[in-house]
Amino acid sequence: AQSVAQPEDQVNVAEGNPLTVKCTYSVSGNPYLFWYVQYPNRGLQFLLKYITGDNLVKGSYGFEAEFNKSQTSFHLKKPSALVSDSALYFCAVRKPGNQFYFGTGTSLTVIP
Amino acid sequence: DVKVTQSSRYLVKRTGEKVFLECVQDMDHENMFWYRQDPGLGLRLIYFSYDVKMKEKGDIPEGYSVSREKKERFSLILESASTNQTSMYLCASSFRRREQGYEQYFGPGTRLTVT
Repeated sequence: AQSVAQPEDQVNVAEGNPLTVKCTYSVSGNPYLFWYVQYPNRGLQFLLKYITGDNLVKGSYGFEAEFNKSQTSFHLKKPSALVSDSALYFCAVRKPGNQFYFGTGTSLTVIP
Repeated sequence: DVKVTQSSRYLVKRTGEKVFLECVQDMDHENMFWYRQDPGLGLRLIYFSYDVKMKEKGDIPEGYSVSREKKERFSLILESASTNQTSMYLCASSFRRREQGYEQYFGPGTRLTVT
């Protein structure tokens, strides 16, 4: 079945440390992958995407993600976490036909 | 700046009522989506529309219907609200072609409570 998985419900990291939020996918053909962030009581905001090209994708607010085809992963990373990065993060994959699967979300807490 | 607006932020309805949720986008996007968001379940697609008057069922269409009479507006209808439809409802829109980018833009959400 085509899907996307976020294995961690919660990630805690100290301010200034690097952060990683994990995502794996299962989709036929070339994957189109996305990360979104949701701040409290807000809708989701687009962070970055992988369509084709370089495996390392840079996005908004200093975030980046690495596409790894052999491991079917698309982990979100940031070299130095900020308290303001605390939010809910969703990974998504586009299915053929313009629909999307979303992961269940990972709650990131950055500890001052 | 892309804007997706939803008609209400908070809504309280009684069981059996007919409920209308409206969404408007100003980016001339072809695609529009309705999701519901529940803790631990992420976002689940209810319905998707790729053009005016066109719609496709998502993963959980039961108990819902949609209407898209104009390109910028996509309505979600709960024909007879039930308590298990208490949830956060998110509308999104996007372009349809790869060269324009597939990323979705979301509204702020409507928190619906059915009592």
